Amino acid sequence: QVQLQESGPGLVKPSETLSLTCSVSGGPIRTYYWSWIRQPPGKGLEWIAYIYDSGKTNYNPSLKSRSTISADTSKEQLYLKLRSVTAGDTAVYYCVRWGTLRGESVQHWGQGTLVTVSS
Amino acid sequence: YVLTQPPSVSVAPGQTARIPCGGNHIAGYSVHWYQQRPGQAPVLVVYDDSDRPSGIPERFSGSNSGNTAILTISSVEGGDDADYYCQVWDTNSDQPVFGGGTKLTVL
Repeated sequence: QVQLQESGPGLVKPSETLSLTCSVSGGPIRTYYWSWIRQPPGKGLEWIAYIYDSGKTNYNPSLKSRSTISADTSKEQLYLKLRSVTAGDTAVYYCVRWGTLRGESVQHWGQGTLVTVSS
Repeated sequence: YVLTQPPSVSVAPGQTARIPCGGNHIAGYSVHWYQQRPGQAPVLVVYDDSDRPSGIPERFSGSNSGNTAILTISSVEGGDDADYYCQVWDTNSDQPVFGGGTKLTVL
């Protein structure tokens, strides 16, 4: 059974870097597409980035300059770094697994982790 | 690529809810639909326009034609009260795109 577990600080100060980890169980990272998706309180879903083939990436243009997605296949973990955060980055951050091909749906979601940006 | 959903749809229990998702020539894309109950992560309810994952009731169905995809929920129940998001992959940018979401209210 596939399980995704996000972890990271729940509170980040403005201008600092948000760092999240997603621990994966139940399937090899290198086989699938993986993303971080966020959801500000009371708002919709926003795709941040995806990674596949253990290192190929694609980013939402609106966040590309500040974000980095990466993976460690030996640890079966995914990572997100978002730099220079502001209050507008306050959101629930989800780690998700797509299928093995681009174009498929999200098949598994983590439970999400709330990150609040505040001094 | 932009996907447009109405902010809200209301339906009485037992009736049929239809949630549209508009996009330019959306019929040329595979549309996926997710249900998100309050405080929970989204769940896939329809993929590739009209297929259902295992465990999703037959009451959930999808269609896609022209510039509009539709998620149809028949015999609506109180548990269907949730937000619903459509999603496609933009072939130009190779990036996933989500609609703004529709809140389904069961009266």
